[in-house]
Amino acid sequence: NAGVTQTPKFRILKIGQSMTLQCTQDMNHNYMYWYRQDPGMGLKLIYYSVGAGITDKGEVPNGYNVSRSTTEDFPLRLELAAPSQTSVYFCASSPWDEQFFGPGTRLTVL
Amino acid sequence: DQQVKQNSPSLSVQEGRISILNCDYTNSMFDYFLWYKKYPAEGPTFLISISSIKDKNEDGRFTVFLNKSAKHLSLHIVPSQPGDSAVYFCAASGGGAGGTSYGKLTFGQGTILTVHP
Repeated sequence: NAGVTQTPKFRILKIGQSMTLQCTQDMNHNYMYWYRQDPGMGLKLIYYSVGAGITDKGEVPNGYNVSRSTTEDFPLRLELAAPSQTSVYFCASSPWDEQFFGPGTRLTVL
Repeated sequence: DQQVKQNSPSLSVQEGRISILNCDYTNSMFDYFLWYKKYPAEGPTFLISISSIKDKNEDGRFTVFLNKSAKHLSLHIVPSQPGDSAVYFCAASGGGAGGTSYGKLTFGQGTILTVHP
């Protein structure tokens, strides 16, 4: 039981490049979430999903897209990367309120 | 609009003493509160939670107190241990459209706890 896994752990992007952050959970949770954490700040919700095929925006969705084709996977897509997207990204899954987090992806946009 | 606030960026305590971490919220629709612990280079891990129908929840060395009238909760760690040194996040859920929040959490900024041997 691996829990929530995220790849890659680290990535450096140039301005304008695109990439997909991968997230997979093996706990059969319906709910999945993407957060970003900026230095000295709490986690801010980017997108969430309540089940396969259903996604919705969180607090800071601009510049990101998501899809949820299976219960297990919830990839986050960055189009046209900008320096403001430099952050640590966490994926989480939940049966309801208690969320289980992955180890994070540290992204730098230069 | 910071709906969940942790006003102390850091806290330093001696091993064996009590650590008290505080959290304030503004949204009266929040009905479930959680504390997460985060070590460097790891994701947050769930520590303890409390429903708005309770005012106290205890789990070993960790106790969470909720004061709904003051919109304030606190986490007590007794006795504190060096391994407790981490960032602690307060989070809240509830009050979504149609009465459900779909488990979405609103996080505070975090408090860095350092426990000295």
